[in-house]
Amino acid sequence: AQSVTQPDIHITVSEGASLELRCNYSYGATPYLFWYVQSPGQGLQLLLKYFSGDTLVQGIKGFEAEFKRSQSSFNLRKPSVHWSDAAEYFCAVGALMDTGRRALTFGSGTRLQVQP
Amino acid sequence: KAGVTQTPRYLIKTRGQQVTLSCSPISGHRSVSWYQQTPGQGLQFLFEYFSETQRNKGNFPGRFSGRQFSNSRSEMNVSTLELGDSALYLCASSLMGGLTDTQYFGPGTRLTVL
Repeated sequence: AQSVTQPDIHITVSEGASLELRCNYSYGATPYLFWYVQSPGQGLQLLLKYFSGDTLVQGIKGFEAEFKRSQSSFNLRKPSVHWSDAAEYFCAVGALMDTGRRALTFGSGTRLQVQP
Repeated sequence: KAGVTQTPRYLIKTRGQQVTLSCSPISGHRSVSWYQQTPGQGLQFLFEYFSETQRNKGNFPGRFSGRQFSNSRSEMNVSTLELGDSALYLCASSLMGGLTDTQYFGPGTRLTVL
């Protein structure tokens, strides 16, 4: 069965520090991979996605992620965190459903807190 | 361009009742997907509609149903509500559906079942 694991439930970083959020997936075929962010009281916003090609993907708000097939990972990074980045981050894989079509299967999320 | 809108934003119902939630997609978007978000189960895919047809479905009981209208607006219905149906229900729209299109999420409807 397809699954996504985000091992860190909660991370706290200082403003200006670098950030790496971990994501591991379990999926037999070539995965479609996504990172979303959810601010309090808001829906989800797509940060970046990977389907194929270059394994380093650039997204919005200065985020990037690297697909590593050998490690089944798709970690999200940002070189310098801003206070406005405090939110919950979700990794997702586009998994095949019984219908033969893909749908998003999400990890449990990582809550990011930014200290001034 | 207006974003995805969901109404109502908050709902309180009692066990056994039914509820209907509404989602208006971004203008021009023909696909609407629904998700349930709970603290225990996280974010789970419910179903996707495209051109008034259900095109994809997650693993939820038949009490959860949906439909899409000719203007792409979508509704989801939950019958015989259970306490475990308390959740944030999110809808997302995209141009043509599938996952290669970017999905734009609404703010959600928070349903509380007492």
